[in-house]
Amino acid sequence: NAGVTQTPKFQVLKTGQSMTLQCAQDMNHEYMSWYRQDPGMGLRLIHYSVGAGITDQGEVPNGYNVSRSTTEDFPLRLLSAAPSQTSVYFCASTPWGEVDEQYFGPGTRLTVT
Amino acid sequence: GNSVTQMEGPVTLSEEAFLTINCTYTATGYPSLFWYVQYPGEGLQLLLKATKADDKGSNKGFEATYRKETTSFHLEKGSVQVSDSAVYFCALANSGYALNFGKGTSLLVTP
Repeated sequence: NAGVTQTPKFQVLKTGQSMTLQCAQDMNHEYMSWYRQDPGMGLRLIHYSVGAGITDQGEVPNGYNVSRSTTEDFPLRLLSAAPSQTSVYFCASTPWGEVDEQYFGPGTRLTVT
Repeated sequence: GNSVTQMEGPVTLSEEAFLTINCTYTATGYPSLFWYVQYPGEGLQLLLKATKADDKGSNKGFEATYRKETTSFHLEKGSVQVSDSAVYFCALANSGYALNFGKGTSLLVTP
């Protein structure tokens, strides 16, 4: 198993550009989530999904969209990038009923200039 | 709502020193508590966990005990190594799968 994979590892965007951060898992986990990590802030939940076709907002959803068309994939879209979205983004997945088995991807470091 | 407060870093220790990183939480009900570790340039890895009061989680020489009376989950290690240098996050999960994280504590262990 590859576990949780994220692409790209690094990305630089200009203000106003759009892009999609990819996240995939091959463990057939129902629950997937996106966090952002900022210095001195810990990790904050952006969006999450409890299964294909179902998504919901987390603590800091503004400026981000998600969709879950398959169990494996959970992309995060930035519609119009802003400097405040400069951060490291982590995707995580969890099997249903196992909240203490969260698997994190390696992260995407995004810089918006 | 749920929240986690952990001690500010960075923490700098000499090899073989005793480590304590304080973590307290606010939550309704009975959350599960976790410590995650992030090594430089990597994602988060689960270090240890405890799912009910008085449980002790342990792994790689690290320990933490779920204290409901003090709402705490302090991380300890009796003798740290240079390879323990990392950022440590305390987290909780309560009636769902989303984790509430503390801000992280950076640990640097010097030879």
